[in-house]
Amino acid sequence: DAGVIQSPRHEVTEMGQEVTLRCKPISGHNSLFWYRQTMMRGLELLIYFNNNVPIDDSGMPEDRFSAKMPNASFSTLKIQPSEPRDSAVYFCASSFQGNYGYTFGSGTRLTVV
Amino acid sequence: AQKVTQAQTEISVVEKEDVTLDCVYETRDTTYYLFWYKQPPSGELVFLIRRNSFDEQNEISGRYSWNFQKSTSSFNFTITASQVVDSAVYFCALSEAGGRANSKLTFGKGITLSVRP
Repeated sequence: DAGVIQSPRHEVTEMGQEVTLRCKPISGHNSLFWYRQTMMRGLELLIYFNNNVPIDDSGMPEDRFSAKMPNASFSTLKIQPSEPRDSAVYFCASSFQGNYGYTFGSGTRLTVV
Repeated sequence: AQKVTQAQTEISVVEKEDVTLDCVYETRDTTYYLFWYKQPPSGELVFLIRRNSFDEQNEISGRYSWNFQKSTSSFNFTITASQVVDSAVYFCALSEAGGRANSKLTFGKGITLSVRP
């Protein structure tokens, strides 16, 4: 199994630009999570999906952030417009039945200048 | 609401020393899962262990061991005979919802472990 695949690994963009992060979960996993990691706030959950349906998006910072999961094998996290304070590492994770184990992707390091 | 506290922020030891990383959690659920993850300098999050709330047996895996005590809401992690390769950030995490698919992980702030040669 290839694991959870995130792209791109690194993204540098200018303030105000739109950024799209992508995630391919492990085949057969039915839950998908987006986390953000910063020095100040640590690892925080942004949003998670179960069977492609968003369950809890209370962690999404503001309306500039949006996430979609059009099918079981793909999810996107979009920031529009991006701001320097969005600079962080964004992790995607997937799991089957939640507590049987969460597998994380390698993360996307986003830098907004 | 669920909460995970890792009071230690940074620990530095000399190689071959034993080290214990503390984790205290809060939850109102009677069924929950506890996890430890390792984040080496390369940045990925590596799964180490999962423990459910009904299993208080200690777990040992090589140089790693875990002590789960519901009475004190703690799930501590001990590395025996530490090695330089153990240098990483270690996260404790909690998942509620009794194993249902729509459960989320709440992480502690992490403990940075440095093992000096």
